[in-house]
Amino acid sequence: GAGVSQSPSNKVTEKGKDVELRCDPISGHTALYWYRQSLGQGLEFLIYFQGNSAPDKSGLPSDRFSAERTGGSVSTLTIQRTQQEDSAVYLCASSLPGSMAYFGPGTRLTVT
Amino acid sequence: RKEVEQDPGPFNVPEGATVAFNCTYSNSASQSFFWYRQDCRKEPKLLMSVYSSGNEDGRFTAQLNRASQYISLLIRDSKLSDSATYLCVAYNDMRFGAGTRLTVKP
Repeated sequence: GAGVSQSPSNKVTEKGKDVELRCDPISGHTALYWYRQSLGQGLEFLIYFQGNSAPDKSGLPSDRFSAERTGGSVSTLTIQRTQQEDSAVYLCASSLPGSMAYFGPGTRLTVT
Repeated sequence: RKEVEQDPGPFNVPEGATVAFNCTYSNSASQSFFWYRQDCRKEPKLLMSVYSSGNEDGRFTAQLNRASQYISLLIRDSKLSDSATYLCVAYNDMRFGAGTRLTVKP
């Protein structure tokens, strides 16, 4: 069966531009998570969705970051006015309630 | 204080060694725990769940100590292919530990 997919796999953008990252969770998974991982660092929690609502968005680092989820499925993470420190791998994961999460391959974002 | 804390290592062990990692958690209400493995430049993959009674999967044993609020992962007879970063997570908030880096050497 299909796993979590993310697009694009790589994104190079200029400082100040906006970017959108997409996550397609496993079908039927109601929970969806976004993380950020800088080189050599751990997973930084960004936001959690249960269905279309985001009960925990406490990890979003600034108001330049936003995320939405529609139809209880696809989610997009938007970064406005990108900065060089936004360069990282952005990982998405999905799960059934109370169960283990499965990760997508990530989007590698480079801000030049 | 971070929700989940791990010793970052690195742990460098010879092939065949037994190695153990601990992961402490701060939320006593946490119910479900998992260990993940992350290879270099790859996404994390589930290694095993951690059950209250402890569980074993081949060379890997996971245990939960609620009184002291930590989970552990024991790897017996280490293989070169076990070299990776091992991450723990408490399900209730899905905050991962920073990961423990293991290198198994010939």
